[in-house]
Amino acid sequence: DGGITQSPKYLFRKEGQNVTLSCEQNLNHDAMYWYRQDPGQGLRLIYYSQIVNDFQKGDIAEGYSVSREKKESFPLTVTSAQKNPTAFYLCASKGQGGDEQFFGPGTRLTVL
Amino acid sequence: RKEVEQDPGPFNVPEGATVAFNCTYSNSASQSFFWYRQDCRKEPKLLMSVYSSGNEDGRFTAQLNRASQYISLLIRDSKLSDSATYLCVAGVDNQGGKLIFGQGTELSVKP
Repeated sequence: DGGITQSPKYLFRKEGQNVTLSCEQNLNHDAMYWYRQDPGQGLRLIYYSQIVNDFQKGDIAEGYSVSREKKESFPLTVTSAQKNPTAFYLCASKGQGGDEQFFGPGTRLTVL
Repeated sequence: RKEVEQDPGPFNVPEGATVAFNCTYSNSASQSFFWYRQDCRKEPKLLMSVYSSGNEDGRFTAQLNRASQYISLLIRDSKLSDSATYLCVAGVDNQGGKLIFGQGTELSVKP
């Protein structure tokens, strides 16, 4: 089955700890994206990558970092510098020839 | 002002009703438009793309008016299973395929 996987589904961390969220896709998509969703709000773009070894900041990149060493993988690190890390994190990918993005199931991060 | 604005919800309608959602966008560079559906605590799923000529998929009809920067979604003969949050989305193609999401409109279809 082709698709996007994110792990873990739920994650709890203590304040001050860095945490890395996994995103993997086997759709052979070049572009990948990370969004954050807070209750009652639209998705906001954190980082995106259009090609391996390249990525750009989105609208709310502060306190986050990413890497794109492989086409299939786009992990997101939430650092201790992120002031309000508790949120629902969604990874998406987009293939060539289409504008629509397809989402993974998301990771709910709670910082205690 | 938000870049994509949607009707405030929630919309509570009886089964079989017709319901319309409206959305406006402010970025004139937007070239692609979509409606996504998001169920509670799940990821958004693409419902349909929106074209200038309008497009229909079964009970769902989407319209785009570029001059007014306005997008709509019409759901006919609504089903209980249509209950979800509907997200209006505009794509900014010259920014790496960035999508700008509205905050969503919640629909609840009652028996």
